[in-house]
Amino acid sequence: AQSVAQPEDQVNVAEGNPLTVKCTYSVSGNPYLFWYVQYPNRGLQFLLKYITGDNLVKGSYGFEAEFNKSQTSFHLKKPSALVSDSALYFCAVRDTGYNFNKFYFGSGTKLNVKP
Amino acid sequence: NAGVTQTPKFQVLKTGQSMTLQCAQDMNHNSMYWYRQDPGMGLRLIYYSASEGTTDKGEVPNGYNVSRLNKREFSLRLESAAPSQTSVYFCASRSPVHGGDWGNQPQHFGDGTRLSIL
Repeated sequence: AQSVAQPEDQVNVAEGNPLTVKCTYSVSGNPYLFWYVQYPNRGLQFLLKYITGDNLVKGSYGFEAEFNKSQTSFHLKKPSALVSDSALYFCAVRDTGYNFNKFYFGSGTKLNVKP
Repeated sequence: NAGVTQTPKFQVLKTGQSMTLQCAQDMNHNSMYWYRQDPGMGLRLIYYSASEGTTDKGEVPNGYNVSRLNKREFSLRLESAAPSQTSVYFCASRSPVHGGDWGNQPQHFGDGTRLSIL
């Protein structure tokens, strides 16, 4: 089965500094990867996805993600963090073949941006 | 545009009671999902429905049943609630299976049902 791992439970960054939230994946076949954000007491919101093509994917709210096939990573990045970016972030991978409608989520990374 | 609507938002049950969580989407999506979210474990798939009339088990289906009532609605039932089922439950939906970028559309989530079982 496919899987993703988010090695950091929490990431702390000062406002205005760049941020990175890490994700590594394990898939058989081509990876289809997603990032979501969750604010308190809300559902997940889609940020961006990698399907194929450019290794740098741009998404909502100024976020981008870098796909690295050799390192099996899909790290979420933002050049300048905002306090309002503080939230829980999830990486997800789509299954393949007959199970293409199934998704597997990481355990989540809490991002704290301090003023 | 409501998106994905879940009811109720909160519920407290006693062990052994039954309950149905409701989910409805107004985006004409074919695929619908039920997840549970527990601290440190991310989201785990309970059941999903790729299209109207079909349902499939996910990672943690034991203790749950689902019904795809029509294209809009997908319900999750706990027949005999257990404390281990205390969790936040999320429903999600996704774009049609066929046509266009069918395999790679993201999921749209409701705001969850917070369920406590005593």
